[in-house]
Amino acid sequence: GAGVSQSPRYKVAKRGQDVALRCDPISGHVSLFWYQQALGQGPEFLTYFQNEAQLDKSGLPSDRFFAERPEGSVSTLKIQRTQQEDSAVYLCASSPRLAGATGELFFGEGSRLTVL
Amino acid sequence: DQQVKQNSPSLSVQEGRISILNCDYTNSMFDYFLWYKKYPAEGPTFLISISSIKDKNEDGRFTVFLNKSAKHLSLHIVPSQPGDSAVYFCAASDDDYKLSFGAGTTVTVRA
Repeated sequence: GAGVSQSPRYKVAKRGQDVALRCDPISGHVSLFWYQQALGQGPEFLTYFQNEAQLDKSGLPSDRFFAERPEGSVSTLKIQRTQQEDSAVYLCASSPRLAGATGELFFGEGSRLTVL
Repeated sequence: DQQVKQNSPSLSVQEGRISILNCDYTNSMFDYFLWYKKYPAEGPTFLISISSIKDKNEDGRFTVFLNKSAKHLSLHIVPSQPGDSAVYFCAASDDDYKLSFGAGTTVTVRA
């Protein structure tokens, strides 16, 4: 489809494992965002890319979290040595605008991570 | 610290009646506000927005009101329809890219 695609939709990891979550934004969208949504909470900002440049990573909870968008299109969020508190839905969003908050963000369906 | 608060976790309304969702914020630097709607197993979708230079924005059945002095905004849905049953998130921004979201309000429209 033409929307933001995320994979996997569901991931179960044992504590200590590394995981990688993928986001395919809408073609041509320059801005890409990652948000983390814990159960019963609203999404919380993790990081922002403008093309391949990571302009803001202030929301990443720890140095175990790493995001990249090497060619300015597909992005990967990697979590090393997963902990139970990392269990959440990870949402990717894209925008055709250089920033994006003052316009519509297009969200993917999310990747639900459960750490046992 | 929660800068955007939706104090009502749920709202039940009769079909055809008005739904009023409320949102409070603490950061006076927020200058743009949005509402997103989310169905189960789907990502949030943009519904309506308002700039801080306005106090009202209307789009069909949806109207957002902003009271800057009270740091309060509300979303009115008139008339409510069964397809409006979803989780509604209030969001705000002060830097044109980073959104702060509330915890959401689950709306159930009864037939």
